[in-house]
Amino acid sequence: SQTIHQWPATLVQPVGSPLSLECTVEGTSNPNLYWYRQAAGRGLQLLFYSVGIGQISSEVPQNLSASRPQDRQFILSSKKLLLSDSGFYLCASSDRGHTDTQYFGPGTRLTVL
Amino acid sequence: AQSVTQLGSHVSVSEGALVLLRCNYSSSVPPYLFWYVQYPNQGLQLLLKYTTGATLVKGINGFEAEFKKSETSFHLTKPSAHMSDAAEYFCAVSEVDSNYQLIWGAGTKLIIKP
Repeated sequence: SQTIHQWPATLVQPVGSPLSLECTVEGTSNPNLYWYRQAAGRGLQLLFYSVGIGQISSEVPQNLSASRPQDRQFILSSKKLLLSDSGFYLCASSDRGHTDTQYFGPGTRLTVL
Repeated sequence: AQSVTQLGSHVSVSEGALVLLRCNYSSSVPPYLFWYVQYPNQGLQLLLKYTTGATLVKGINGFEAEFKKSETSFHLTKPSAHMSDAAEYFCAVSEVDSNYQLIWGAGTKLIIKP
């Protein structure tokens, strides 16, 4: 199975500061990669997904962006954080079939003050 | 568009009682179906999934789910709840034309009373 690493585990940032969250994947090649956000008491919101290096699809217009510089590396960024960016960010990876499991990282708790 | 409905944002059961978490999907074409569990401040973990074949699927931690095409349902059950089952449970579906994305339910928080 796949192992997903995310860091940092927790982050407290002031409004207007930049953001960089990193995700790396072990145990597979050429996976689909995903960034999700969970706001407090809410379900999973898909932010971005990628089917290959440099290929990013955005699901929700926002001040966040994603990049995939290497096959098993996925980065979530922002130039200027908003209060509404607070939440629990999850990276996930899956193989290419429709029945394939999505494997999740441990998440990053972001608090914007 | 496909949607997934989980009835009840919170479900409370006594330790040792039956756990039943409901999930219904909207598509007329049977999708692939998944249940995930999330413990506090952790990522999600696959409990079980239905792809083809036997409609009763067994997963980890004693959970099972039954795909009922006529009811467009995939309810999750466990005969006897344990305190360690307290978590949030998410139902999700995957379709051929969904670009490999999962469509998620809103989640059900399972509370176990001692």
